[in-house]
Amino acid sequence: QKEVEQNSGPLSVPEGAIASLNCTYSDRGSQSFFWYRQYSGKSPELIMSIYSNGDKEDGRFTAQLNKASQYVSLLIRDSQPSDSATYLCAVKKQGGKLIFGQGTELSVKP
Amino acid sequence: EAGVAQSPRYKIIEKRQSVAFWCNPISGHATLYWYQQILGQGPKLLIQFQNNGVVDDSQLPKDRFSAERLKGVDSTLKIQPAKLEDSAVYLCASTTFIGGTEEGTQYFGPGTRLTVL
Repeated sequence: QKEVEQNSGPLSVPEGAIASLNCTYSDRGSQSFFWYRQYSGKSPELIMSIYSNGDKEDGRFTAQLNKASQYVSLLIRDSQPSDSATYLCAVKKQGGKLIFGQGTELSVKP
Repeated sequence: EAGVAQSPRYKIIEKRQSVAFWCNPISGHATLYWYQQILGQGPKLLIQFQNNGVVDDSQLPKDRFSAERLKGVDSTLKIQPAKLEDSAVYLCASTTFIGGTEEGTQYFGPGTRLTVL
């Protein structure tokens, strides 16, 4: 079992729709969770961090965390073609190491 | 504020040759990371420095990879000898602090794309 798992996609949604990206992790002691966006040929950039169970909203982005289910998700409302990228889930394990999932490729069609 | 700088941006070498990558973190960032990102995968941590000390190098293939961070600022990552499977993007990242529940944001450099023929 991978430490951080994501569906590799590609996930295709029409412009204006909600994109839902999911991630599961294996280390129950993990406390910090992050979503990075990576455009093709570019380096990852942090878009959301979440530390407590529940939802955290930032503009069109909402991160959701359920530690009991070891599940974290990212919702993108009103998806735009410029949101087309690979989204990386990252989990900070006990001891501080950041583990990335393999990423989910999102394609938003005009 | 200048971002994380890396050089070179691209490197093509033949297997068994050696190569070195350079990283200059954001000014004042004590923690520096080197990641390896193989095409289609997420970044994998190779080594983490806190100032000039190594915090974690458990996934660094020490028979061929080495890294140093002299004076706690710039860092170099070396591969000697390179293998075909080392073809990847090597990302450097830095952050302001380490520890506790809330991690300082990791800022990534543009990466070095290595191709081993």
